[in-house]
Amino acid sequence: AQSVTQPDIHITVSEGASLELRCNYSYGATPYLFWYVQSPGQGLQLLLKYFSGDTLVQGIKGFEAEFKRSQSSFNLRKPSVHWSDAAEYFCAVAPYGGSQGNLIFGKGTKLSVKP
Amino acid sequence: DVKVTQSSRYLVKRTGEKVFLECVQDMDHENMFWYRQDPGLGLRLIYFSYDVKMKEKGDIPEGYSVSREKKERFSLILESASTNQTSMYLCASSLMATGGAKNIQYFGAGTRLSVL
Repeated sequence: AQSVTQPDIHITVSEGASLELRCNYSYGATPYLFWYVQSPGQGLQLLLKYFSGDTLVQGIKGFEAEFKRSQSSFNLRKPSVHWSDAAEYFCAVAPYGGSQGNLIFGKGTKLSVKP
Repeated sequence: DVKVTQSSRYLVKRTGEKVFLECVQDMDHENMFWYRQDPGLGLRLIYFSYDVKMKEKGDIPEGYSVSREKKERFSLILESASTNQTSMYLCASSLMATGGAKNIQYFGAGTRLSVL
């Protein structure tokens, strides 16, 4: 069965520092991959997505992610974190080649930002 | 912008009550989803629907049912609420598109349900 693993439950970084959030998936073929962000008390907002093509994808709020097939990974990065980036981040994969329209989510990584 | 509206942000109910959580989307999306979110467990799919009067079980349907009488509205029903159904409930919708676009889901702000 397809699955998504986010190995870090909680990460703390200093404002202005770089950030990398890890995501590993299990799926035989090239999957559709997503990163969502959830601010406290809010729903999820799409940050970026990967369907095919260029393995480095740009998203909103200065985030990017890189798809690495050899490592089954889709890590999220940001060069310089702002205090407003404190939130919970979810990686997701579309199972069954995306045919059903639903997503499988990782358990999330909570990001705290130190001033 | 796509808007997914959940009727209540916070809800407090008693054990055994019948509870309705309502979700409305304004972008004519075919697909709608109900998730439950618990700390350390992420989002788990309860039910989803591809069309009016259609429904499919997700990963944790036990204790829940759904109703989709109109395209824009998807209701989650707890027939007899229990304390272990205390959680954050998130509704989402997506377009019936080709390729990965069909998997782009838009979320409501969530309903935090407490069952006492």
